[in-house]
Amino acid sequence: SQQGEEDPQALSIQEGENATMNCSYKTSINNLQWYRQNSGRGLVHLILIRSNEREKHSGRLRVTLDTSKKSSSLLITASRAADTASYFCATEGSARQLTFGSGTQLTVLP
Amino acid sequence: DAGVIQSPRHEVTEMGQEVTLRCKPISGHDYLFWYRQTMMRGLELLIYFNNNVPIDDSGMPEDRFSAKMPNASFSTLKIQPSEPRDSAVYFCASSFNWGGGALGYTFGSGTRLTVV
Repeated sequence: SQQGEEDPQALSIQEGENATMNCSYKTSINNLQWYRQNSGRGLVHLILIRSNEREKHSGRLRVTLDTSKKSSSLLITASRAADTASYFCATEGSARQLTFGSGTQLTVLP
Repeated sequence: DAGVIQSPRHEVTEMGQEVTLRCKPISGHDYLFWYRQTMMRGLELLIYFNNNVPIDDSGMPEDRFSAKMPNASFSTLKIQPSEPRDSAVYFCASSFNWGGGALGYTFGSGTRLTVV
């Protein structure tokens, strides 16, 4: 079963704009991770935020986590056409496994 | 490091045939996961191993599915007999526990299985 629900399901923006994707989850977590998947490829780990962290940055990525609302957001700044992909949030709870959300399909138009 | 290696990349088989998917995890990683991805159900965890021992196989859909990890560098996922509804992309991922319980996953490129 899927832990996370992501919105929007699809997002289309112009190159240079910022893209924000949201993820909600249901149970308590140890950490939350974001992954990118290009069409026909495997998933690539982007960033991990622990449950005691509220915000994390990595290059053009900014992730926030609100454990009281059981939600997270991924912000990609100054988007590029190469950022076009599906983005998934995934949660790790007490069991050593990740449960993935349904994903957001991001299209960045040149 | 070559990453997580899966084979074959594509498999087309007839209903009722046995299918074996293979995975070589990253050396030194002590966790191995098998996921299945479909449009309808998204990414589903099938089974995972820690130090070659199956820990949770509750995601394996039915007895037709089985997975083994005979050593730290090799795992197989077998479907026997295969059915059209097994058509999906099957991913293998490996990771390590680097303290604090937080895992980083590395995924393989997947095996696209089509059962006709």
